[in-house]
Amino acid sequence: SAVISQKPSRDICQRGTSLTIQCQVDSQVTMMFWYRQQPGQSLTLIATANQGSEATYESGFVIDKFPISRPNLTFSTLTVSNMSPEDSSIYLCSVRTGEWNTEAFFGQGTRLTVV
Amino acid sequence: AQTVTQSQPEMSVQEAETVTLSCTYDTSENNYYLFWYKQPPSRQMILVIRQEAYKQQNATENRFSVNFQKAAKSFSLKISDSQLGDTAMYFCAFLDTGTASKLTFGTGTRLQVTL
Repeated sequence: SAVISQKPSRDICQRGTSLTIQCQVDSQVTMMFWYRQQPGQSLTLIATANQGSEATYESGFVIDKFPISRPNLTFSTLTVSNMSPEDSSIYLCSVRTGEWNTEAFFGQGTRLTVV
Repeated sequence: AQTVTQSQPEMSVQEAETVTLSCTYDTSENNYYLFWYKQPPSRQMILVIRQEAYKQQNATENRFSVNFQKAAKSFSLKISDSQLGDTAMYFCAFLDTGTASKLTFGTGTRLQVTL
């Protein structure tokens, strides 16, 4: 299993600013992912965070808007840049401990409100 | 691309009764995994049950069981002896076993367990 600490748990930000969300795992994991969950909606994958290389983004998400870092096997950050009210969502970090381990573990999410 | 559909936005069940949540999916893959995740108001995503596509036997975890119909691409969740703590959003999810290896979520079903 994996225990994920995600910070901050919530924030209220001014439009035009940026917020960096941290994801810390209690063990080394192979795969780390960032999801967005808009109010009352399902989870949409933003990107796969790759250790030591650029993240792999899903259609509709770009690096300039959502830069991601993953300096090691236990930590990743997601930045939401130049925020607008449409970015108000819950952002979740998720990990899988290995390619053949199918269970995904999730952080408790960051509730972001942009005003 | 895979799609996951949950046709019931909301469901309600009385305590101690049984409820079934529906999920259908579309894929051209033959090997994959299906999941039901629970998201209570705390936002913490919790794995409820997992089914491997190559196994014909339906998965069971205590009060939770699935009806997996591979040919029909159907994967329903049955909750027996419902408890107040089962109140949550339930998401059906699909994981392919290819190099993409990422979860695709359905739109979710909000389950309310009442006295």
